Amino acid sequence: QVQLQQWGAGLLKPSETLSLTCAVDGGSLSAYYWTWIRLPPGKGLEWLGEITHSGSAKYSPSLKSRVTVTVDTSKNEFSLKVTSVTAADTAVYYCARVQRWSLPGRGSYYYMDVWGKGATVTVAS
Amino acid sequence: QSVLTQPPSASGTPGQRVTISCSGITSNIGSNPVNWYQRLPGTAPKLLIYNNDQRPSGVPDRFAGSKSGASASLAIGGLQSDDEADYYCSTWDDNLAGVLFGGGTKLTVL
Repeated sequence: QVQLQQWGAGLLKPSETLSLTCAVDGGSLSAYYWTWIRLPPGKGLEWLGEITHSGSAKYSPSLKSRVTVTVDTSKNEFSLKVTSVTAADTAVYYCARVQRWSLPGRGSYYYMDVWGKGATVTVAS
Repeated sequence: QSVLTQPPSASGTPGQRVTISCSGITSNIGSNPVNWYQRLPGTAPKLLIYNNDQRPSGVPDRFAGSKSGASASLAIGGLQSDDEADYYCSTWDDNLAGVLFGGGTKLTVL
């Protein structure tokens, strides 16, 4: 049973860099995509980006300039960095495993089947 | 503001059937499968329905997903107090080249 253990700094000041890491326990990074999602207070879920085990990353266009997702296969971990944070980045951040594939004429299948417990990040001066 | 539109709230009494809608456009729901997530208070989201109408192992058949055109629905039958949670729809968007979520629907069991 794959589990995701996540950690990182919970309280940041504006302009600092958010940094979170997610470790994959009970399975391998290989053969899957991995993603970060956040839940701001009072709002809905927001997809931040994804990465493959080989390090190929894709980001949400709205955050692309500030978000970086990296992978460390030797540690079976992947990480999230968000630069120049503001109060709008206050949220619970989740890491998750992605099931993803495309079929001609059937569309793009993309869902998260394993989630980390979440890490609360607060940005305040 | 979420691109996938869900009602902010829904409610029902124990035993009732409740339906939650999720509306999108051609580039997202109209072209790609829809998934639903359940987030119980204080916990991480859990995959409830994937690929429009598939249930992961362990999800009771009281939960059913469907899709028609650019809209999708989640039906919950035999409502239980444990079903009180936030429910989110999600799909891939071809124009965005990324994942979209609905704003979430808070389900209350009266």
